[in-house]
Amino acid sequence: ETGVTQTPRHLVMGMTNKKSLKCEQHLGHNAMYWYKQSAKKPLELMFVYNFKEQTENNSVPSRFSPECPNSSHLFLHLHTLQPEDSALYLCASSQDRGYTGELFFGEGSRLTVL
Amino acid sequence: KQEVTQIPAALSVPEGENLVLNCSFTDSAIYNLQWFRQDPGKGLTSLLLIQSSQREQTSGRLNASLDKSSGRSTLYIAASQPGDSATYLCAGSGNTGKLIFGQGTTLQVKP
Repeated sequence: ETGVTQTPRHLVMGMTNKKSLKCEQHLGHNAMYWYKQSAKKPLELMFVYNFKEQTENNSVPSRFSPECPNSSHLFLHLHTLQPEDSALYLCASSQDRGYTGELFFGEGSRLTVL
Repeated sequence: KQEVTQIPAALSVPEGENLVLNCSFTDSAIYNLQWFRQDPGKGLTSLLLIQSSQREQTSGRLNASLDKSSGRSTLYIAASQPGDSATYLCAGSGNTGKLIFGQGTTLQVKP
């Protein structure tokens, strides 16, 4: 596989469920990102990891919990979400954290919270 | 706070037309600028990256330029085709190091 792969592509969950989104990059990059894309709003950066260490958390509610076990894998653990959390969650990677290089995105995970 | 405006929000053109999409930043100190394409329900595909030492980039029928003095970027699409129909997003990073996205321009190219 090449590029950035996200699973699942679609997820429906109730407010009391616990689920996880997975992202894997095959580009040899060192930085990985979670973005949220809601209707009629610009992409919102959620978390940044560089060499497995979290370097940025943009005031994301604790019901979203990221995990980065290595530079190739990134997870977003979800629990007790709200309907307003329904959105497209996009994972991205770049060679390094400093935004000097190109950002590559996965296809996204479409989340619906009932 | 850096904000990005993309104009127009939507555009519909007949096939074969040349067109220009615009992107402007409230803070003109742009270090890095990237244009993306997004098809409905899909992720973002990188089109062009203009790095700090550059002023423009070209790929096939696409040309992107960046005027750092004004904080404006344009994406020029030559000889548009129906397959170009998508949402085009620009994103720039400034002194904060954060990549800020515009809301996009939705393009429809009619056969």
